[in-house]
Amino acid sequence: DAGVTQSPTHLIKTRGQQVTLRCSPISGHKSVSWYQQVLGQGPQFIFQYYEKEERGRGNFPDRFSARQFPNYSSELNVNALLLGDSALYLCASSSLGEQYFGPGTRLTVT
Amino acid sequence: GDSVTQMEGPVTLSEEAFLTINCTYTATGYPSLFWYVQYPREGLQLLLKATKADDKGSNKGFEATYRKETTSFHLEKGSVQVSDSAVYFCALSDPSYGGATNKLIFGTGTLLAVQP
Repeated sequence: DAGVTQSPTHLIKTRGQQVTLRCSPISGHKSVSWYQQVLGQGPQFIFQYYEKEERGRGNFPDRFSARQFPNYSSELNVNALLLGDSALYLCASSSLGEQYFGPGTRLTVT
Repeated sequence: GDSVTQMEGPVTLSEEAFLTINCTYTATGYPSLFWYVQYPREGLQLLLKATKADDKGSNKGFEATYRKETTSFHLEKGSVQVSDSAVYFCALSDPSYGGATNKLIFGTGTLLAVQP
């Protein structure tokens, strides 16, 4: 069975630009969460979606937004990119209380 | 708020040495506790978990016991291998968070380097 998939793998953007990251959960999983992992730190919770509804939001500015589609895939959008947004963005899908992480998208903002 | 503190690395060991990575937590409720492992250029993988006090999680020779009295969840392995070299994250699920699945709160990670 396919695990959580994310695209793209790597991305380089310029300050002020906008970016969209994509995630496909494990088949049958209805919940998707997004995390930001800055180099040398643990992942920080950004959003959780369940059945297309936002169920929680971490301490991130309104520049960060997300949505979940009817097929349970999800997109994370970040507007007006800052240098500090450079990080590994992880998507996790969950079932029965366990979260399964994708390989991440490495975003570099220059 | 809830938080996880784990020992700073890097931890450098010789093959077959005993491993301990300390983890303590602060939580208002009764969290579930996890250890995740991140191998180079790979995603986070769940290593083991414990959902209530005195539970012991185990997997691949790694063990951790949920100690409510000391608010700890230390990771141990009796004999490490070179292939265990990775970053290890302690995490808890926030019991005060509603929704379909509790969000995870992670520690800062501990780099383990095992030398042959």
